[in-house]
Amino acid sequence: EAGVTQFPSHSVIEKGQTVTLRCDPISGHDNLYWYRRVMGKEIKFLLHFVKESKQDESGMPNNRFLAERTGGTYSTLKVQPAELEDSGVYFCASSQDLGPPNYGYTFGSGTRLTVV
Amino acid sequence: EDQVTQSPEALRLQEGESSSLNCSYTVSGLRGLFWYRQDPGKGPEFLFTLYSAGEEKEKERLKATLTKKESFLHITAPKPEDSATYLCAVFYGGATNKLIFGTGTLLAVQP
Repeated sequence: EAGVTQFPSHSVIEKGQTVTLRCDPISGHDNLYWYRRVMGKEIKFLLHFVKESKQDESGMPNNRFLAERTGGTYSTLKVQPAELEDSGVYFCASSQDLGPPNYGYTFGSGTRLTVV
Repeated sequence: EDQVTQSPEALRLQEGESSSLNCSYTVSGLRGLFWYRQDPGKGPEFLFTLYSAGEEKEKERLKATLTKKESFLHITAPKPEDSATYLCAVFYGGATNKLIFGTGTLLAVQP
């Protein structure tokens, strides 16, 4: 079974530019999550999709971040315009069940975003 | 405020030297606690889920335990390949499915 795939793996952009991150969850997983780790801090929740609907977007930092999940398959996270404090590693995770899964959430390898 | 604290921040062990990592939490209505392992450049890899105080789970050289306020990850006779960052995350459900992570413990096992 293919895991959670994220790309690009790295992105370096200038302040003010736009960047789009993509996540392909495990096939059949209705639940898709975005998390972010800023240097020196813990991994923090951004938002949760159930199929194509946003279940919880309480962790989104501000309106420069836009997440979509077209047709309930892959998801994109767009940052526009990017600021220096947006630098970090963005992780995507997916799960089949809504409740606490016995096997945990499956995470992708992340996209390292550097804003210069 | 819901909080997860892991200690120590970093730990260096000799191969075969057993030790424990701590994860303490202040979360109301805990529904589950996860332990993950993370290698450089990779995403967190699931190790264990614990649901209630007194529960224990084992996998190879690792054993995770849970009390009402904290969880321990015991590493018995570690090997260099156990070197990684170990992350603890709590799940408290309700209207959200989000995990609250600690900052992790960076473990280095020297041969």
